[in-house]
Amino acid sequence: DSGVTQTPKHLITATGQRVTLRCSPRSGDLSVYWYQQSLDQGLQFLIHYYNGEERAKGNILERFSAQQFPDLHSELNLSSLELGDSALYFCASSSLAGISTDTQYFGPGTRLTVL
Amino acid sequence: DAKTTQPNSMESNEEEPVHLPCNHSTISGTDYIHWYRQLPSQGPEYVIHGLTSNVNNRMASLAIAEDRKSSTLILHRATLRDAAVYYCIPREMDSSYKLIFGSGTRLLVRP
Repeated sequence: DSGVTQTPKHLITATGQRVTLRCSPRSGDLSVYWYQQSLDQGLQFLIHYYNGEERAKGNILERFSAQQFPDLHSELNLSSLELGDSALYFCASSSLAGISTDTQYFGPGTRLTVL
Repeated sequence: DAKTTQPNSMESNEEEPVHLPCNHSTISGTDYIHWYRQLPSQGPEYVIHGLTSNVNNRMASLAIAEDRKSSTLILHRATLRDAAVYYCIPREMDSSYKLIFGSGTRLLVRP
């Protein structure tokens, strides 16, 4: 158990819908990262928040957005869903940002299926 | 981003050592080399990291070439639980230190 929790574990929805994925980092961790894992693209970095502020963006679609709240939990919002958005979405947390030796701890993931 | 090259898959027998290679010839002098693994149906987990010298921890050893263009993750006695996809990740010095995953090496451990 990494100490990172993600809800829900599974999500099934239809094209065009909007969903919210939630992540609670390890106690005391200030950084939250979101990653997407699909069969054809592998594990891809989406976005990084540190203490409520966006630090870096990766291959995140404009239909996707995220935020980190004052209690440090984070939400990833996916809208106008398409079949290709079906994937595993992982959240990871780390204690700091800007340290190359910092370890990221991953949650169990949310499996999103778009029908 | 530094490019990495890893074998698609490797096989090992249980309780034998495993050497997982990674080429990262474009790595810069300040990038730490991290290894993560992903067990089936789980999120990735940290294994080990290093900069220039060899490193050991309770999970594995990391041998880094003198020119830093390659590294080898060593599992001293593979167990069935070590069957996973192993990712070698040069960690670039920027404001985020996000992880850039390649395709990794799928390790199969035979009983």
